[in-house]
Amino acid sequence: DTGVSQNPRHKITKRGQNVTFRCDPISEHNRLYWYRQTLGQGPEFLTYFQNEAQLEKSRLLSDRFSAERPKGSFSTLEIQRTEQGDSAMYLCASSLGALEQYFGPGTRLTVT
Amino acid sequence: QKEVEQNSGPLSVPEGAIASLNCTYSDRGSQSFFWYRQYSGKSPELIMSIYSNGDKEDGRFTAQLNKASQYVSLLIRDSQPSDSATYLCAVKRDNAGNMLTFGGGTRLMVKP
Repeated sequence: DTGVSQNPRHKITKRGQNVTFRCDPISEHNRLYWYRQTLGQGPEFLTYFQNEAQLEKSRLLSDRFSAERPKGSFSTLEIQRTEQGDSAMYLCASSLGALEQYFGPGTRLTVT
Repeated sequence: QKEVEQNSGPLSVPEGAIASLNCTYSDRGSQSFFWYRQYSGKSPELIMSIYSNGDKEDGRFTAQLNKASQYVSLLIRDSQPSDSATYLCAVKRDNAGNMLTFGGGTRLMVKP
């Protein structure tokens, strides 16, 4: 049983560019979550999917952020017109129903 | 007041001692509680979950929950240098979505 995987692991981009991250959850998990973590802070919730439906979005998720899970398997998180404040670790987690959430390795984004 | 509060540390204990990590939360509707371990530069790793008042033991780890006092703790017995990490407390309201709310984490240092 493989864990949650995320790609890329690191991304450096220039301000104003668009970036897209991918998350592959644990195979039997129907729920998928995105969090963002900055240095010295705990992760902050961004959004979550149950199967292909996006059921909850944080106020942190501005209009520049969009997430999809088209077939209820992998998910993508896109950030348009990146800003330096978007620099963070983007974490994906998955769970089977409302059970424990397991995190992937994260994608570290640096906006220059 | 933050929703989930932890002392940022560092908490320094000698090898072989008991490390005690504490967490308080403000939302009385919180139903599920989790401890994650995060090594520097890595993603959070789930180590314990607890749902009812009292103690829950798993190997060298014991989680303690007191909902009346809105307090959850993690004890690590026979601390090892490999336990040196940041420990994140997370809470979830089962009847209001599935997001985890994290504290800022406590940095634990176990000295040989």
